[in-house]
Amino acid sequence: EPEVTQTPSHQVTQMGQEVILRCVPISNHLYFYWYRQILGQKVEFLVSFYNNEISEKSEIFDDQFSVERPDGSNFTLKIRSTKLEDSAMYFCAGQWISGNTIYFGEGSWLTVV
Amino acid sequence: DQQVKQNSPSLSVQEGRISILNCDYTNSMFDYFLWYKKYPAEGPTFLISISSIKDKNEDGRFTVFLNKSAKHLSLHIVPSQPGDSAVYFCAASMKTSYDKVIFGPGTSLSVIP
Repeated sequence: EPEVTQTPSHQVTQMGQEVILRCVPISNHLYFYWYRQILGQKVEFLVSFYNNEISEKSEIFDDQFSVERPDGSNFTLKIRSTKLEDSAMYFCAGQWISGNTIYFGEGSWLTVV
Repeated sequence: DQQVKQNSPSLSVQEGRISILNCDYTNSMFDYFLWYKKYPAEGPTFLISISSIKDKNEDGRFTVFLNKSAKHLSLHIVPSQPGDSAVYFCAASMKTSYDKVIFGPGTSLSVIP
């Protein structure tokens, strides 16, 4: 079964550093998402991406966050200057052009120290 | 503003018995509902979904019931197995915003052998 793959699986970074989380969605998915889950809290929507641009973003997704799909395959989430409260599991997800089922990757666990 | 609520943070069930996980929503514009299962340190895995034009959808041991007038849905697992122990997330989306799926806070299910 096709999978959404994410790298790294775990990253520890110092506060203020830039982090890039990478995702390879299932081929012929056209809608892409980033969600996050802070330990002990619910899964939160960050951003959706379609046709090479952001289609929707949450209030969490402020100026320190950015997304891009530079080569038509990888989908990245960049956090410019990490804060302690950015520590969370970040999930990439993808969706077919029709239908609402979103398929998630295994997650990237980010620890900011 | 919690649009998708799962009021039971945890549930314990004996192996072989029925597990019933409940979910309530507040936004009457939601027209597609999904259940995801999540093991620790893994991404959410899609389980089953239901469109608002139906009131029941069944897939093997999993059945989802939707009561639109009560804005309530439930996931039934029969019979429950120890491998079903996980966190279950209810999620919802609407036609006008296919870009975003809203998750509930999750219910942790423990199936006791």
